[in-house]
Amino acid sequence: GAVVSQHPSWVICKSGTSVKIECRSLDFQATTMFWYRQFPKQSLMLMATSNEGSKATYEQGVEKDKFLINHASLTLSTLTVTSAHPEDSSFYICSAETSMNTEAFFGQGTRLTVV
Amino acid sequence: QKEVEQNSGPLSVPEGAIASLNCTYSDRGSQSFFWYRQYSGKSPELIMSIYSNGDKEDGRFTAQLNKASQYVSLLIRDSQPSDSATYLCAVNMRGFKTIFGAGTRLFVKA
Repeated sequence: GAVVSQHPSWVICKSGTSVKIECRSLDFQATTMFWYRQFPKQSLMLMATSNEGSKATYEQGVEKDKFLINHASLTLSTLTVTSAHPEDSSFYICSAETSMNTEAFFGQGTRLTVV
Repeated sequence: QKEVEQNSGPLSVPEGAIASLNCTYSDRGSQSFFWYRQYSGKSPELIMSIYSNGDKEDGRFTAQLNKASQYVSLLIRDSQPSDSATYLCAVNMRGFKTIFGAGTRLFVKA
């Protein structure tokens, strides 16, 4: 299957700082990438859909000014958590699709801890 | 009504038994159906995809799709302790984003 690389795999940051998470499709061009958040023992929650060259589409309740998404190329999307707070601590996962009717390939996930 | 529904479990089966995981979806126009496995602390990994009615087998896994009943299932034969994980059903609706169920936790007892 296609490979999606997510970096970093874990990060600890101080409250009030910003953290950037990268999601790269290594062997295919991903016109669409998705960002999810998952709290312990809970299901995946879609945060936003990222389309190359256009603004991301955010799910209801997700603050677009807090979670900045950039999809500058067909192989890279970034999620920046701005002014992070302890309640933002979670497991963030990206996925990419080669076309809209195929399976999603997931990155390894990033565990964010805000102290 | 949730778009993709799964029993949260936990589903507990003895080693060597068949584990049966079920999923229903709401959009009749859905075209693609997937099962993902997620170990604790890890991201989901695709284990099966199915696009047409009937059964699809891959090793110990069999996916079953019934579009008329809006139902998709996953059977795991000869269950092993290493199969213990959360299984996510996912449905791609009308070419738009993939919708995930909340997942079913499976425990395989040695």
